[in-house]
Amino acid sequence: KNQVEQSPQSLIILEGKNCTLQCNYTVSPFSNLRWYKQDTGRGPVSLTIMTFSENTKSNGRYTATLDADTKQSSLHITASQLSDSASYICVVRAQTGANNLFFGTGTRLTVIP
Amino acid sequence: NAGVTQTPKFRVLKTGQSMTLLCAQDMNHEYMYWYRQDPGMGLRLIHYSVGEGTTAKGEVPDGYNVSRLKKQNFLLGLESAAPSQTSVYFCASSSGVTDTEAFFGQGTRLTVV
Repeated sequence: KNQVEQSPQSLIILEGKNCTLQCNYTVSPFSNLRWYKQDTGRGPVSLTIMTFSENTKSNGRYTATLDADTKQSSLHITASQLSDSASYICVVRAQTGANNLFFGTGTRLTVIP
Repeated sequence: NAGVTQTPKFRVLKTGQSMTLLCAQDMNHEYMYWYRQDPGMGLRLIHYSVGEGTTAKGEVPDGYNVSRLKKQNFLLGLESAAPSQTSVYFCASSSGVTDTEAFFGQGTRLTVV
């Protein structure tokens, strides 16, 4: 069964600190993995995409990793800011089918001053 | 930069009432999706469309109907609303089903009392 699991469910950190969010998946055959940021009351917005051949990709203070062998991904946030407070959703796309997006339940990050 | 626009943003219905949620995209995308998001659960696919005039069932289609009469619009209908349909509904669109990004609307918060 195609599943995406994220941990932790929620996280509270102090402004300026780093944090790492985890995503494990069983989606097969794998096409790509995206991390989305969802601000409260808004729709998800893509932060980065990881394909099979990519191990690490950075987008500003966000760095995503992918280990396709163990089917794990992480999102590392450096020097957190109050505006990073949001839910972060891991979305894995399978290679086949129009209905091929599988969503994690998200990690709710709260950055406090 | 309109992207994906959903109307309305909020709605309260009485049990048994009907309503239609409208999703409009201006990116000429072929694929459109309706999801619902409930606390503690990932986004779940209700219905989707791979092109004008086509629709297909997703993971949780019961109690909903959809139509895609025009490429840019995807309508989600509730014929007889039930409290279990209280949720936040998101529309998304994408140009393909491989590496392309899914763009989301801002969501519709529906409460059925």
